[in-house]
Amino acid sequence: QKEVEQNSGPLSVPEGAIASLNCTYSDRGSQSFFWYRQYSGKSPELIMFIYSNGDKEDGRFTAQLNKASQYVSLLIRDSQPSDSATYLCAVNMLNQGGKLIFGQGTELSVKP
Amino acid sequence: DTAVSQTPKYLVTQMGNDKSIKCEQNLGHDTMYWYKQDSKKFLKIMFSYNNKELIINETVPNRFSPKSPDKAHLNLHINSLELGDSAVYFCASSHLGTAANVLTFGAGSRLTVL
Repeated sequence: QKEVEQNSGPLSVPEGAIASLNCTYSDRGSQSFFWYRQYSGKSPELIMFIYSNGDKEDGRFTAQLNKASQYVSLLIRDSQPSDSATYLCAVNMLNQGGKLIFGQGTELSVKP
Repeated sequence: DTAVSQTPKYLVTQMGNDKSIKCEQNLGHDTMYWYKQDSKKFLKIMFSYNNKELIINETVPNRFSPKSPDKAHLNLHINSLELGDSAVYFCASSHLGTAANVLTFGAGSRLTVL
């Protein structure tokens, strides 16, 4: 089992819709969870992180964490064509020197 | 002005050669990382240094040798390059010990081995 799993996509949504990206992880000792966005040919940039169960909202983005079920998700409301990118889920493992384990990424395409 | 800067941005070289990539951060972070992103976009950690001390050393061929002269710099030297080393190498930094340990990435160095 992969440590961090995401659907590779591509996920296609129309402009203005809600995009839902999911991620599961295997290590119950994981502490904090991150969503990065990566445009083609660019470096990953942080969207948001979460470390408590529940929802965390930042503008059009909402991260949801359920430690019992070992999943974390990202909702993008009012999706825009500029949101088209690969979204990387990353998990910070307990007592592993800050190591971030990344999923394989989900490619999102927002159609005008 | 750039937070995490890597040089060079592109390297094209022949198999068997040796190459180095340099990284510098001006964020005051105490921890720096090298990640490798392959053609399938999978981002995998290679090494991490905290205050010049190696703290993460994943299963990486010993042809790869990182060096951190101080906590603001982390270099990666690769000996005897192979075709499979072709990838984008990202440097990142963070402040270890914070609740979130957010990584800030450099722009990447695209290595092509012919």
